Amino acid sequence: DTGVSQDPRHKITKRGQNVTFRCDPISEHNRLYWYRQTLGQGPEFLTYFQNEAQLEKSRLLSDRFSAERPKGSFSTLEIQRTEQGDSAMYLCASSLEGGEDTQYFGPGTRLTVL
Amino acid sequence: GDSVTQMEGPVTLSEEAFLTINCTYTATGYPSLFWYVQYPGEGLQLLLKATKADDKGSNKGFEATYRKETTSFHLEKGSVQVSDSAVYFCALSDGGRRALTFGSGTRLQVQP
Repeated sequence: DTGVSQDPRHKITKRGQNVTFRCDPISEHNRLYWYRQTLGQGPEFLTYFQNEAQLEKSRLLSDRFSAERPKGSFSTLEIQRTEQGDSAMYLCASSLEGGEDTQYFGPGTRLTVL
Repeated sequence: GDSVTQMEGPVTLSEEAFLTINCTYTATGYPSLFWYVQYPGEGLQLLLKATKADDKGSNKGFEATYRKETTSFHLEKGSVQVSDSAVYFCALSDGGRRALTFGSGTRLQVQP
């Protein structure tokens, strides 16, 4: 399967703990995006990378959130000192600059903060 | 800022019925418009897209036409199947911003 993959698929943590999620984009895609989706809502944009450069961050991305894409391939999203309000599905998408630039989504990581 | 408004669901139809899911948008530029579908237990999948006014996107029997004058991108299908049961999201991508702005989604339930 050459689609976008995310790991883990599910994460349960206690409030105050740190968590890290990984996203592996489609191999030739140089753009990578993170979104958050809460129950009954559409995805909300968090941040976007082109190659290894983080080019845009949403106001939703508080200081407790940090994302990296060190070699322009996979990306990690870390949440420090998790809060119950962080419980959501975290989605990763990738696209190829130029051409259609269509975003293809991974299956998501469901985070539950107890 | 940009926004997308979809009709609230759930929409419940019988098999072979005609489907319309309304979507309207607000954008500062000339956005590209998308419909994504999320089947139960699966990730978001691109269903169709249109990049300029009067373009029609189509896929799997679904269609949507980019109407700039009414800022709309309504999703239609002539005859739905049980397998079309899913949540449908309308979205836009506005010019220089790469982020997609999504509507809240419309759940479609098709009964045999």
